[in-house]
Amino acid sequence: AQTVTQSQPEMSVQEAETVTLSCTYDTSESDYYLFWYKQPPSRQMILVIRQEAYKQQNATENRFSVNFQKAAKSFSLKISDSQLGDAAMYFCAYRSHDSTSGTYKYIFGTGTRLKVLA
Amino acid sequence: NAGVMQNPRHLVRRRGQEARLRCSPMKGHSHVYWYRQLPEEGLKFMVYLQKENIIDESGMPKERFSAEFPKEGPSILRIQQVVRGDSAAYFCASSFSDYGYTFGSGTRLTVV
Repeated sequence: AQTVTQSQPEMSVQEAETVTLSCTYDTSESDYYLFWYKQPPSRQMILVIRQEAYKQQNATENRFSVNFQKAAKSFSLKISDSQLGDAAMYFCAYRSHDSTSGTYKYIFGTGTRLKVLA
Repeated sequence: NAGVMQNPRHLVRRRGQEARLRCSPMKGHSHVYWYRQLPEEGLKFMVYLQKENIIDESGMPKERFSAEFPKEGPSILRIQQVVRGDSAAYFCASSFSDYGYTFGSGTRLTVV
């Protein structure tokens, strides 16, 4: 069974600085997707970035980028030029596919609470 | 496109009552997923439905919980005889392909 581990319950970053959130996972699959979701106090789950495992190039979305190390099963999120609006819970997620049922299941980590200091 | 709509946003039930949570998927999406988020935890898969079919309910508690996605109308997650441990945020997500989910804003259920 796949597992996702986020070992940092809470992180702080100064406004305009850079912060990296860690995520490791365990799987025996070779083809899969990884995601980072942001959950602000409104509870909405907002997709930040996604990475296909077969792509060696790290995904980038504006100030957000990932460091995907497939062999090490590591998928960290880097937030550059942090803004006050980045403060939220961040969840790393692995998407598994059950070929029998066709189900795409997301396995989420326990989250990292990011605080942005003015 | 209004996105994935969940209602109610907040639901308070006394122990022993029934809770009905509704989810209207995005227009054109025929796949619905329900997840539960306990306090200070990530989301955990409960059930995957397509129109009129439960495809995978491996994450659903064996008793008191049921889900449906009728031909017409929203998907419903039903919890009978609620207990305090059912208090959580329940999220619905929809998709039409393997690109990824779109999540709703969740329903926070509080059992008193």
